[in-house]
Amino acid sequence: KAGVTQTPRYLIKTRGQQVTLSCSPISGHRSVSWYQQTPGQGLQFLFEYFSETQRNKGNFPGRFSGRQFSNSRSEMNVSTLELGDSALYLCASSESGTREETQYFGPGTRLLVL
Amino acid sequence: GENVEQHPSTLSVQEGDSAVIKCTYSDSASNYFPWYKQELGKRPQLIIDIRSNVGEKKDQRIAVTLNKTAKHFSLHITETQPEDSAVYFCAVLGGSNYKLTFGKGTLLTVNP
Repeated sequence: KAGVTQTPRYLIKTRGQQVTLSCSPISGHRSVSWYQQTPGQGLQFLFEYFSETQRNKGNFPGRFSGRQFSNSRSEMNVSTLELGDSALYLCASSESGTREETQYFGPGTRLLVL
Repeated sequence: GENVEQHPSTLSVQEGDSAVIKCTYSDSASNYFPWYKQELGKRPQLIIDIRSNVGEKKDQRIAVTLNKTAKHFSLHITETQPEDSAVYFCAVLGGSNYKLTFGKGTLLTVNP
């Protein structure tokens, strides 16, 4: 099976703009989680979706939002970008969304905000 | 919320030596503890995981031990090789949610 894919891989934006990132899970996987990775804070959980429903949300401001489509593909959106949003954004998928399943990560989207 | 502490933040060993990385967590209801390896410029990849009904799990040169009473778990790598050089993250799944909380990572360097 093909692995988790993310598009775009690299993105440069300016402060105040908005951005949409896409994640395609492994075929058959129904749960998608999003993480922000920065050198200072490490990997931080953003949110998790299963069957188009957000089941969990991390401690990020409302500028960060997401959604999941019926084919399990997921998008996350960041509005009114700030310099501190520069990071590697990773998504991970798991098969049936049960609590102790392995999460498989995508390659990430590296976002630079100028 | 869950708090995960990981130590050390950097670890340098000679090839063939063992490496140990430790993590502590705060939520006593947590019951799933994966370890991920992330090589430079690559995605995190699961290397081993343990569930709370097990005290130890081994896979070739890699082992994980769990002490639920003390709320800590450790990754043990024996006979280290240069290709083991990477950042290692521990993670904890919340006791009542689907949220993985990660440690800050350990940069392991194996010197030939």
